[in-house]
Amino acid sequence: GNSVTQMEGPVTLSEEAFLTINCTYTATGYPSLFWYVQYPGEGLQLLLKATKADDKGSNKGFEATYRKETTSFHLEKGSVQVSDSAVYFCALRSGTSYGKLTFGQGTILTVHP
Amino acid sequence: KAGVTQTPRYLIKTRGQQVTLSCSPISGHRSVSWYQQTPGQGLQFLFEYFSETQRNKGNFPGRFSGRQFSNSRSEMNVSTLELGDSALYLCASSPEDSPNSPLHFGNGTRLTVT
Repeated sequence: GNSVTQMEGPVTLSEEAFLTINCTYTATGYPSLFWYVQYPGEGLQLLLKATKADDKGSNKGFEATYRKETTSFHLEKGSVQVSDSAVYFCALRSGTSYGKLTFGQGTILTVHP
Repeated sequence: KAGVTQTPRYLIKTRGQQVTLSCSPISGHRSVSWYQQTPGQGLQFLFEYFSETQRNKGNFPGRFSGRQFSNSRSEMNVSTLELGDSALYLCASSPEDSPNSPLHFGNGTRLTVT
């Protein structure tokens, strides 16, 4: 079956530090890959997506590249801000049930001033 | 455009009771999915509806059920509540029936079972 593994958290950084959150996946076929972010008391917001190998998704300074050869979709940001503090989820969609995402366990990010 | 709306935001129920949660998708979205979020199990898929038909169901007991109406609004029901059903229940809608179409999530209903 499908599965997503994220790096163990939590991650604590100082403002303007470089961020990497690792994500690897196992899936049948050619999945679409997503990063979602969840702020306290809220639902999930789509951060970025990539739908085929070598695609790079980007949004708000965050980037992730779909690497089929390493089955990875690592999230990066060059300079984090305090407002980036949240929980980040890597997810994949595979097959024809388009409403079904398989999520990683989430990574808590805390950014200090 | 209004986002995905879930009601109520908070619920407290007693073991053995049943509960119904409601979800109004973004206008024009025909696909609605439900997820359960807990600290221990993370985000788990419950079910997906498209045009009033359940298209897929996750690995949950039969106490969990759902339906979708002709206006795409959806409800989920949990009968004979157990303590372990305490969770944040998230609804998501999608504008297209496409593998590339992202899910848009509501803010969830926080269910506490005592």
